[in-house]
Amino acid sequence: QVQLVQSGAEVKKPGASVKVSCKASGYTFTGYYMHWVRQAPGQGLEWMGWINPNSGGTNYAQKFQGRVTMTRDTSISTAYMELSRLRSDDTAVYYCASEKWELPWGQGTLVTVSS
Amino acid sequence: DIQMTQSPSSLSASVGDRVTITCRASQSISSYLNWYQQKPGKAPKLLIYAASSLQSGVPSRFSGSGSGTDFTLTISSLQPEDFATYYCQQSYSTRITFGQGTRLEIK
Repeated sequence: QVQLVQSGAEVKKPGASVKVSCKASGYTFTGYYMHWVRQAPGQGLEWMGWINPNSGGTNYAQKFQGRVTMTRDTSISTAYMELSRLRSDDTAVYYCASEKWELPWGQGTLVTVSS
Repeated sequence: DIQMTQSPSSLSASVGDRVTITCRASQSISSYLNWYQQKPGKAPKLLIYAASSLQSGVPSRFSGSGSGTDFTLTISSLQPEDFATYYCQQSYSTRITFGQGTRLEIK
């Protein structure tokens, strides 16, 4: 069935980097942009950017420019989001979502940034 | 980026009530508007896409309307499982944006 399966929870120290994966199955991975959205505890949904799995092209929200890198591996239908120079306010659940919006989102990956 | 303004931010209602949530875009987005429901600890779930199309498997008590800049989500008769947070999202631009959310609580 169609699903996006994300990697597990992470605990990182301030200043470190985190890389979250999102494995797609059940649809044509290269056919639709993959978006990344995060949600801080008790807060709303915040768009981070997208990657075009076909070309590798990216578009990042200005807030994350210089700290976020989105990549993909088409051989295993997996997208990645790496966030560097982590701060405590980066503590959030990170979701991947296909631009084919009818498809379910990933289950979310909790990233906790704490010293 | 396109700004999405959702109202109200919270709402108390009873089972069986009719509820309407509104979403306004800072510019015309045609019908590129999706509505999501989110329950605690879960990923958002698509309810309505393209402003008024019901996602497969979603109960018919949910409906959406609007185009251009003004949109509404209506729940015709609230059920206990509908108490959750609702978000609108524009997909007119690939730089997607969300409303701030509406928390629907039991009165």
